Amino acid sequence: AQSVTQLGSHVSVSEGALVLLRCNYSSSVPPYLFWYVQYPNQGLQLLLKYTSAATLVKGINGFEAEFKKSETSFHLTKPSAHMSDAAEYFCAVSGTGNQFYFGTGTSLTVIP
Amino acid sequence: DTAVSQTPKYLVTQMGNDKSIKCEQNLGHDTMYWYKQDSKKFLKIMFSYNNKELIINETVPNRFSPKSPDKAHLNLHINSLELGDSAVYFCASNSGRDTEAFFGQGTRLTVV
Repeated sequence: AQSVTQLGSHVSVSEGALVLLRCNYSSSVPPYLFWYVQYPNQGLQLLLKYTSAATLVKGINGFEAEFKKSETSFHLTKPSAHMSDAAEYFCAVSGTGNQFYFGTGTSLTVIP
Repeated sequence: DTAVSQTPKYLVTQMGNDKSIKCEQNLGHDTMYWYKQDSKKFLKIMFSYNNKELIINETVPNRFSPKSPDKAHLNLHINSLELGDSAVYFCASNSGRDTEAFFGQGTRLTVV
């Protein structure tokens, strides 16, 4: 079975500060991991994905994530937060049978 | 040129009614999904179809039925709507476990 856990349903950072959103996974098969962003009243947009190539993955809008097998983690980071980063962020794992399982989401607030 | 399109975007209906939400993807993907997002933003997979075969059916009431006339379409039919069915429903598609899922813009269903 596959699942992801996102620690912290709400994260607030100041503009220009480091963004760190946490995701831990559980998978009975080598995991494929994804981060998505959802802006208000919109669908989900892919930020980045890990599919067993490089463990440090760079995505759009300056985000990156590092796959750490020993810690079963795939945390999302951005060096400097912008106001436009305020959104809901979802970590997901792709499991057997091609289904996607999502975490419960983290709402990011950026304080000016 | 929308990759995954859903209609309608908003749907307000009375309890007990039957309604359908349509989804089409023009990406040539093999698998399509329906997700339900509740008021707390939690994304729950409802169904997925791979080559017109249902491969996932989570603990979803049988009032919900997916219908796939061809590989590019996966419609969601809901019978006897209940207040608890109010949510945002997302259609998505992808082509393999290591590929990202592309999402539609969502259908906000409100049952009154």
